[in-house]
Amino acid sequence: QVQLQESGPGLVKPSQTLSLTCTVSGGSISSGAYYWSWIRQPAGKGLECIGRVYSSGPTNYNPSLESRVTISIDTSKNQFSLKLTSVTAADTAVYYCARTDYGGNPRGRGVDYWGQGTQVTVSS
Amino acid sequence: DIQMTQSPSTLSASVGDRVTITCRASQDISSWLAWYQQKPGKAPKLLIYKASSLQSGVPSRFSGSGSGTEFTLTISSLQPDDFATYYCQQYNSYPWTFGQGTKVGI
Repeated sequence: QVQLQESGPGLVKPSQTLSLTCTVSGGSISSGAYYWSWIRQPAGKGLECIGRVYSSGPTNYNPSLESRVTISIDTSKNQFSLKLTSVTAADTAVYYCARTDYGGNPRGRGVDYWGQGTQVTVSS
Repeated sequence: DIQMTQSPSTLSASVGDRVTITCRASQDISSWLAWYQQKPGKAPKLLIYKASSLQSGVPSRFSGSGSGTEFTLTISSLQPDDFATYYCQQYNSYPWTFGQGTKVGI
């Protein structure tokens, strides 16, 4: 059974960089056809895709965040990471890491595995 | 970005009721639509993908239909465990976008 677990600081100061890591267990991050994604949810609001990284390394980002986002994958540690620069209070949210299986179809079959989520608050 | 609009935003129902939630896309997304259930403090759970395919392990009382720009999620007989917020998501093009959610309560 695949499991994803987010880790990183829960409090970040304005203008600084938010850094989170997702550790994948129960399977290899580099095997199979998967997108590994970061998705966030402000309190009481809906879900927003931040970006995704393929098992093989290429990335796609939400254009609304692209200038501030970097997502990378470390197959040796079975992890992928998120960096979001120049954060403001608007970046306060629960951040989820997640997986999409796109085997046989480049669009995939929805987001089938999620981490439990980690609250990140931007405040001085 | 493709805009996803759900209706209603909130829904009051009772155990045993048939419940239908609608999701509209701002442009044609074929059948590239998923539905999720989210409970407070928990991550979303995939229910339906490709508009009508039931995710493994999801009870058969959940069903999805539609294509193009109009989609529905139906719960045939609402159970106590089904009181939650439901989201649709298009994955026809990136960035994936979600509806604003439908809260199903008593």
